[in-house]
Amino acid sequence: AQTVTQSQPEMSVQEAETVTLSCTYDTSENNYYLFWYKQPPSRQMILVIRQEAYKQQNATENRFSVNFQKAAKSFSLKISDSQLGDTAMYFCAFISLNTDKLIFGTGTRLQVFP
Amino acid sequence: GAVVSQHPSWVICKSGTSVKIECRSLDFQATTMFWYRQFPKQSLMLMATSNEGSKATYEQGVEKDKFLINHASLTLSTLTVTSAHPEDSSFYICTSGGQGDGYTFGSGTRLTVV
Repeated sequence: AQTVTQSQPEMSVQEAETVTLSCTYDTSENNYYLFWYKQPPSRQMILVIRQEAYKQQNATENRFSVNFQKAAKSFSLKISDSQLGDTAMYFCAFISLNTDKLIFGTGTRLQVFP
Repeated sequence: GAVVSQHPSWVICKSGTSVKIECRSLDFQATTMFWYRQFPKQSLMLMATSNEGSKATYEQGVEKDKFLINHASLTLSTLTVTSAHPEDSSFYICTSGGQGDGYTFGSGTRLTVV
């Protein structure tokens, strides 16, 4: 069974600084996708960034980038130039092309301070 | 982009009554809808997968007679919590989409059973 682990329940960062959120996963599959979702206080799930497992190049979306280490099964999220609006819960998620089930990690609560 | 409309956003019901939650795909055909449950400050747990025109597939430990899922059309999936009890109080979220595109989430339903 696939599992997703986020070892940091809470993180904090000062505005304009950089923060990295950790995520590891376990799977025997070779083809899958990884995602980071943001859940602000409104609880609306927002896709931050996605990574295809077959791509070696790390995905980047503006201030958000990932460090995807397939062999280590690691998928960390780096937020640069943190903004107050980045304050939210962040969930790492995994989906296998075979099972088609989106599995979430336990989440990391990020607080950005002014 | 793809939008999933979820209603109601919040509902309070008496113990023993049933509550229906609707998720509609507004600009795409959702052949599959995933239903998640989220407890306060916790992760999203997959409850079941509904497929248009066929029976839903429930995750282990989810009572299918309590959580009735119907996916009668390509744009509508419903979750009915039958004979609700206080322990059913939770945040319920639906989602649909493609593996590579990430998934589009409804805005969620906060259910409180009194």
